[in-house]
Amino acid sequence: NAGVTQTPKFRILKIGQSMTLQCTQDMNHNYMYWYRQDPGMGLKLIYYSVGAGITDKGEVPNGYNVSRSTTEDFPLRLELAAPSQTSVYFCASSLGTGGRTEAFFGQGTRLTVV
Amino acid sequence: QQQVKQSPQSLIVQKGGISIINCAYENTAFDYFPWYQQFPGKGPALLIAIRPDVSEKKEGRFTISFNKSAKQFSLHIMDSQPGDSATYFCAASKEGGSEKLVFGKGTKLTVNP
Repeated sequence: NAGVTQTPKFRILKIGQSMTLQCTQDMNHNYMYWYRQDPGMGLKLIYYSVGAGITDKGEVPNGYNVSRSTTEDFPLRLELAAPSQTSVYFCASSLGTGGRTEAFFGQGTRLTVV
Repeated sequence: QQQVKQSPQSLIVQKGGISIINCAYENTAFDYFPWYQQFPGKGPALLIAIRPDVSEKKEGRFTISFNKSAKQFSLHIMDSQPGDSATYFCAASKEGGSEKLVFGKGTKLTVNP
């Protein structure tokens, strides 16, 4: 049972480049989330999805886009990367009612924008 | 506006001691309070959670104390071990708000041998 898998683990981008962070889960969870983690700042919600075809903005959505075409996959797209997007990104999923059940996190993607 | 305030930012405890991490929240609609544990290079993982209908929940060496009137909750780690060294996040969510988790800023715990 792989749980939540994120790729890549590390990436360096140049300013203005674009990339997609991949996230897939094999637990048949309806809810999926993208967080960013900056030192001393906790986890900030970027986007979330309550099921295939449904996405919504979180606390810090600017500069990002998501899609949810299947239950398993929830990719995060960065367009025109900026240094402010240097962070560690975590994808998570949960079975039922969002934050009221256990959220399972991936191992993270460390992104540096130079 | 920070909805969940966590303190201290860092904590150093000797092996066998008690580690205490505190969180305070503002939104009285919050009704689910989990704690997540994160080891370096890993994603957070659920440690223990509490709902406001109880004042305390214990799982092994880990205890959550909850004070609804003060809007505070805390994590106590008894007999702290070097293997407990990690970053701990408190969080909160409310029913109906898409039930998203709001996280505190985290506490880096170091347990010295």
